[in-house]
Amino acid sequence: NAGVTQTPKFQVLKTGQSMTLQCAQDMNHNSMYWYRQDPGMGLRLIYYSASEGTTDKGEVPNGYNVSRLNKREFSLRLESAAPSQTSVYFCASSGGRGGSGELFFGEGSRLTVL
Amino acid sequence: TQLLEQSPQFLSIQEGENLTVYCNSSSVFSSLQWYRQEPGEGPVLLVTVVTGGEVKKLKRLTFQFGDARKDSSLHITAAQPGDTGLYLCAGGQGGKLIFGQGTELSVKP
Repeated sequence: NAGVTQTPKFQVLKTGQSMTLQCAQDMNHNSMYWYRQDPGMGLRLIYYSASEGTTDKGEVPNGYNVSRLNKREFSLRLESAAPSQTSVYFCASSGGRGGSGELFFGEGSRLTVL
Repeated sequence: TQLLEQSPQFLSIQEGENLTVYCNSSSVFSSLQWYRQEPGEGPVLLVTVVTGGEVKKLKRLTFQFGDARKDSSLHITAAQPGDTGLYLCAGGQGGKLIFGQGTELSVKP
């Protein structure tokens, strides 16, 4: 029962370095999401993909890029990391439409940018 | 500015007390969900409400969706230490789910 799998779970970067967070789901869901979670801010949507081949910006897309590689995989890339991107990142998937379906989350990826 | 405002942000109560968490917005949502998150884990869905005025109960938890579908509340009766966690409301809008900033609940024995 893997559900949503994120890698890596922890990462430390220096300012300016790049990295990619990987996410895969095995529930045959159409929609996938990337959120970041900061203290007192809840979860903020970075990018989402309503279906394979489509991606859309969320609330805080600046400094990030995404790729919906196939139905299972949705990656998040930081091209030039900044300290403000220190956060916990969550990938989620949903079988529902229009934001009405249940989101299934991964365990999170904790990123520190020095 | 948060699209969904949750209050209170922090709540510390004794076991057996009742509490209510509010989730408010000026926007209309097609549905509203409540999630619970424990440290080191992703949020887990508690309930989805879709109809204005809808009330759903989950054991000691009662969820209500406002008539105008702009607000919701979560009421916990006789809180227990196992209820401790971060409670998040989330509204469905335009193909995505937007979250409130969360309510950190601590229930002391």
